[in-house]
Amino acid sequence: SQTIHQWPATLVQPVGSPLSLECTVEGTSNPNLYWYRQAAGRGLQLLFYSVGIGQISSEVPQNLSASRPQDRQFILSSKKLLLSDSGFYLCAWSAIPDRAYEQYFGPGTRLTVT
Amino acid sequence: GQNIDQPTEMTATEGAIVQINCTYQTSGFNGLFWYQQHAGEAPTFLSYNVLDGLEEKGRFSSFLSRSKGYSYLLLKELQMKDSASYLCAVRDSNYQLIWGAGTKLIIKP
Repeated sequence: SQTIHQWPATLVQPVGSPLSLECTVEGTSNPNLYWYRQAAGRGLQLLFYSVGIGQISSEVPQNLSASRPQDRQFILSSKKLLLSDSGFYLCAWSAIPDRAYEQYFGPGTRLTVT
Repeated sequence: GQNIDQPTEMTATEGAIVQINCTYQTSGFNGLFWYQQHAGEAPTFLSYNVLDGLEEKGRFSSFLSRSKGYSYLLLKELQMKDSASYLCAVRDSNYQLIWGAGTKLIIKP
């Protein structure tokens, strides 16, 4: 069966500090991978998605970046965090082709920028 | 622009039935999803509709009308554990998911 891991679960970082969140998927090959952010009481905002190693599409302009160094590893980074980067970060995967497949979410990372 | 509308919050009684509506305006349509999200947790998949009509899964059912840009999630025999947010999402012509803000469902004994 497939499993998706995210860490850390919670993170408190000062403004201006760097960020690295990691997501790994087990039990599947060549998945589509996604990074979402969810502000309190809000819907999911797609940040990045990837259809393969080294292939990253960005949905919104921001000070975040993503990388996919391995097939089942997806990393979200920032060089300098802003207060507005606080939120609940979710990694998700879906099967390829994903025409009719739901997305499966990791447990999430709650980031507070102080 | 693309838009998904859901009520912000609903309240229902344990054992009753509740219907959560979702209307959408998107560039193309390639399926509608419902997810459940408990507070502080990740969303989990509930249902998928791509053709008009009703899909039933135990206590949960989801309905779709593509001509009206409308869906609803029907929850029967409500239990306290059903207290959660319910997210509606539509896959657009580019096969990207457009998410609603979610409906917070409060179940009272």
